[in-house]
Amino acid sequence: GAVVSQHPSWVICKSGTSVKIECRSLDFQATTMFWYRQFPKQSLMLMATSNEGSKATYEQGVEKDKFLINHASLTLSTLTVTSAHPEDSSFYICSAKIQGARNEQYFGPGTRLTVT
Amino acid sequence: SQKIEQNSEALNIQEGKTATLTCNYTNYSPAYLQWYRQDPGRGPVFLLLIRENEKEKRKERLKVTFDTTLKQSLFHITASQPADSATYLCALEGAGNMLTFGGGTRLMVKP
Repeated sequence: GAVVSQHPSWVICKSGTSVKIECRSLDFQATTMFWYRQFPKQSLMLMATSNEGSKATYEQGVEKDKFLINHASLTLSTLTVTSAHPEDSSFYICSAKIQGARNEQYFGPGTRLTVT
Repeated sequence: SQKIEQNSEALNIQEGKTATLTCNYTNYSPAYLQWYRQDPGRGPVFLLLIRENEKEKRKERLKVTFDTTLKQSLFHITASQPADSATYLCALEGAGNMLTFGGGTRLMVKP
């Protein structure tokens, strides 16, 4: 149980284009999903907290107009990297908390974004 | 500022030995501390959670201790196996159930 999927698992795009990454909770409902970014040999950095039906809360330094988050249902959150640049190349990971449960987060397998 | 520190150098141990990883934090008063395992190119996998009023937690070959006075957690893997080789992350839970991760420690278990 508690499986989180991400799609795509990897994507290469050209500078200036936009890329959408999907995060789905497959066997549970998640009122809250989190988006992280991880650069090589670094830890996960929280980008934003996504709550179903409301606007995402972004961490300091994360541009909300560049990283658009939509949490349209209890099982789906999307992250769109708009006008991507090479410095946006990173490993993007989402996680979800089970509705009603407090603590552990279940992570997706991650999406490797490369911007050329 | 809040800080979570894990030994950034890889820990190399022999199969069968006990691996001990350290997580130190400053300027935090976490109610919970969590440990995750991350394999290369994969998302983290939850291992254990320990509450501030718990000194120790065990799960199979894993043991976690939490010393809120020292602001430190120790993560032990007994009878280590090559399959335990991975990066281990500690994370503290803050407001809004947000997790802040340490930098992780890479464990290499040699056969």
